[in-house]
Amino acid sequence: DVKVTQSSRYLVKRTGEKVFLECVQDMDHENMFWYRQDPGLGLRLIYFSYDVKMKEKGDIPEGYSVSREKKERFSLILESASTNQTSMYLCASRTSGPNEQFFGPGTRLTVL
Amino acid sequence: DQQVKQNSPSLSVQEGRISILNCDYTNSMFDYFLWYKKYPAEGPTFLISISSIKDKNEDGRFTVFLNKSAKHLSLHIVPSQPGDSAVYFCAASWRNNDMRFGAGTRLTVKP
Repeated sequence: DVKVTQSSRYLVKRTGEKVFLECVQDMDHENMFWYRQDPGLGLRLIYFSYDVKMKEKGDIPEGYSVSREKKERFSLILESASTNQTSMYLCASRTSGPNEQFFGPGTRLTVL
Repeated sequence: DQQVKQNSPSLSVQEGRISILNCDYTNSMFDYFLWYKKYPAEGPTFLISISSIKDKNEDGRFTVFLNKSAKHLSLHIVPSQPGDSAVYFCAASWRNNDMRFGAGTRLTVKP
């Protein structure tokens, strides 16, 4: 059974804190993605990675950075959390080629 | 600039009837299109896909239609069931890597 796991389901942080969101997949997928989901805006791509140590900006990378040191792990970092980063964060992975992405359960982050 | 658009935020249908969810895209480079279903507090799950070389793909009660000239795709669910109530996201990708999603349509199927 394929699996994408995220380190936390719910997280509450304070403004200015550094936040790490971890994602691990066990499918040996090359590509990994971070999205945020907000009402009325759907899923917006923050960053993605198509290989270890490679990263590319998505549509809304400002305020975020990522790290991919190992193939199975893709981390999203909020350097200094702000209230407008309160959102549902979804990690996904897929192999190369035209096929579906597999999503983790999501992390609901609240920044106070 | 949203490259994938779902203009209907919600849709309500009666059990047993057809549900039609619509999606438009602007980037003519997209070559693969997907529909995902999402329940609250869960990640999206893949439902059905279509390549740009086809205009229809069917899987059980679900059919996706692609009109490349209009840059439009639709998902038909027949017959609709209460368990189909969820948020449906349209997605599109190109270069075998990137994927963009629409804003989602909340489908409610009434018994």
